[in-house]
This record gives sequence, C-alpha cells and structure tokens, in this order.
Amino acid sequence: KAGVTQTPRYLIKTRGQQVTLSCSPISGHRSVSWYQQTPGQGLQFLFEYFSETQRNKGNFPGRFSGRQFSNSRSEMNVSTLELGDSALYLCASSREQVSSYNEQFFGPGTRLTVL
Amino acid sequence: AQTVTQSQPEMSVQEAETVTLSCTYDTSENNYYLFWYKQPPSRQMILVIRQEAYKQQNATENRFSVNFQKAAKSFSLKISDSQLGDTAMYFCALLTGNQFYFGTGTSLTVIP
Repeated sequence: KAGVTQTPRYLIKTRGQQVTLSCSPISGHRSVSWYQQTPGQGLQFLFEYFSETQRNKGNFPGRFSGRQFSNSRSEMNVSTLELGDSALYLCASSREQVSSYNEQFFGPGTRLTVL
Repeated sequence: AQTVTQSQPEMSVQEAETVTLSCTYDTSENNYYLFWYKQPPSRQMILVIRQEAYKQQNATENRFSVNFQKAAKSFSLKISDSQLGDTAMYFCALLTGNQFYFGTGTSLTVIP
C-alpha cells in the first residue's frame, strides 16, 4: 500500500507570494492533518480535515488555509508569504479522525523556503 | 494550555549502549495519551511507542520502553542496545482534545 505522498517536495518562493501544497493520504484514510516543523518550534499543528470538513485548527493566522476533496486528498494554502513561513510542512493521514487509537502516518514533507 | 518540553536538543550514544530521552508535559486534561515519534534523516516520521495515561504499566516495544511518571508529568524514552538505525530526531507528543502537541525534538546520534 502506498504511503502518504506530498507534492512538491521542495519549493522556493519570495515574500508576498502565495503557495499551495498538496497531500495524498493512504488509500482508505479519511483524515488529513497538517503540521509546520521548524528547528526552534518543533511540530506545530495547523489543522485537521475529515470528510471534507475542517475538524480542528491550530493557532495560526488566517493566511494559512486548507481544504479536503472528496477523494480525501488535501491542499494547504499560505497567502502573503513571510520569511518566518520557511519550514518543513508535514501532512499525516489516519483512517478515521485523530484519536488515540487511530495511528497517524506521516508524509515526507514539503520544504518551503521563503526568500 | 498544553505544552511538551524536551530539554535535550542533542544526544549521542555508543552502539549497543542504552540511552534515555527526556520529556515533560503539562495539561489540565484527565484524558490524554503520550507518544514518541522517530524522524530519521530525510525519512518519514514514524510512531515508536504510545502510552495511555490511565494505564500505570509502562509501554514497551522491543528495544524501546517508556518511564511514565504521571504525577511528575514525565514521559521518558529508553532505547536499549542502540543501533545505527536509531539515529534520528525523536519527538515526544501529547494527544488530548483530539489534537497533537509536539515537543521540539531531541536529535540522537548513535556512534559506531
């Protein structure tokens, strides 16, 4: 079974631009969560989507948004990029909504660099 | 607010030796779960071990075990018989309210 895939793997943008990242979950998984990983902050939760609905949201500004499609694939959008948005963006999928008994499987991440 | 603290940014251990990674957390919730995740260099993050907070018995998965001290809100990971493949970033995570909270990670290097 194929794992979680994320595209693109690497991205370079300039301040003020916007970017869209994509995540394809494991087949049969209906939940997709997004995280921002930076050296100083570790992983910070962005949001979780389940059955095309945002179920939970972390403490990030409105420039960060996402959506989920009927095939469970998810996209994350960041508008008006800032230097501080440079990070590794990870997505994780699970069969059902995030809970203690639904293991999350992580993708390889998209490395975003904002110049 | 929930917080997870990993106070050791970097650690190293000789191959075949034992190492312990520290993690403390804070939550006011009674129902929560704790996890250790491993992120090898340039590879995907994987689950190492999980602990239900309501269970007093420490979780064990082969060479990996935890020391869960609920009153002290401490959740350390012990790796026995360290192998070169254990070289990775290790993240401690708290799950409560259907949301994960991660620490900043400990970079572990296993030295041959």
